[in-house]
Amino acid sequence: DSGVTQTPKHLITATGQRVTLRCSPRSGDLSVYWYQQSLDQGLQFLIQYYNGEERAKGNILERFSAQQFPDLHSELNLSSLELGDSALYFCASSRDREIDGYTFGSGTRLTVV
Amino acid sequence: AQSVTQLDSQVPVFEEAPVELRCNYSSSVSVYLFWYVQYPNQGLQLLLKYLSGSTLVKGINGFEAEFNKSQTSFHLRKPSVHISDTAEYFCAVSEIDQGGKLIFGQGTELSVKP
Repeated sequence: DSGVTQTPKHLITATGQRVTLRCSPRSGDLSVYWYQQSLDQGLQFLIQYYNGEERAKGNILERFSAQQFPDLHSELNLSSLELGDSALYFCASSRDREIDGYTFGSGTRLTVV
Repeated sequence: AQSVTQLDSQVPVFEEAPVELRCNYSSSVSVYLFWYVQYPNQGLQLLLKYLSGSTLVKGINGFEAEFNKSQTSFHLRKPSVHISDTAEYFCAVSEIDQGGKLIFGQGTELSVKP
């Protein structure tokens, strides 16, 4: 157990729908990062939050949004889902803004049908 | 913009043989370097990292990597592999003072055969 908890582990939904993925960081970690892993794009950075504020944005679609709450858990919202959004979505956390090695969660596998 | 190239998408090797997984990166600034391993249906586990200091870095499970600044490489090595090392390996970089986002390579699938 890495200490980073992602729920749900699996999600199957239809095109056009909206889903929310949840991440609880390791105790004491202030930064949360979201990544998407797909067969064609590989592992891509989506967005980072630090202590409730957005710190960095990567290749995140406008249909996707995220937030970090006061208790430091984070949610990634994916809307108007398309078949191509099917992927593994990973959350990672770290102590602060700088890297000393992330801790990754086990991921949420999203299947859009 | 920074990028990471893993030169081999698949590496088959026999048990107890040595292995090298190659990684080259491109960046205009100083970087931190990482290798992660992903076992089937699992998340990413940190194998080792280079932040500063000695260019030879030792990690878990007997892996090591050498940072070569002039060749912008960070190749991963293990002198003797086990069946249990079969997994996907990812090289990643992060630009220093840029908040910590990782740029990953496309991955190398290591397949260890008996």
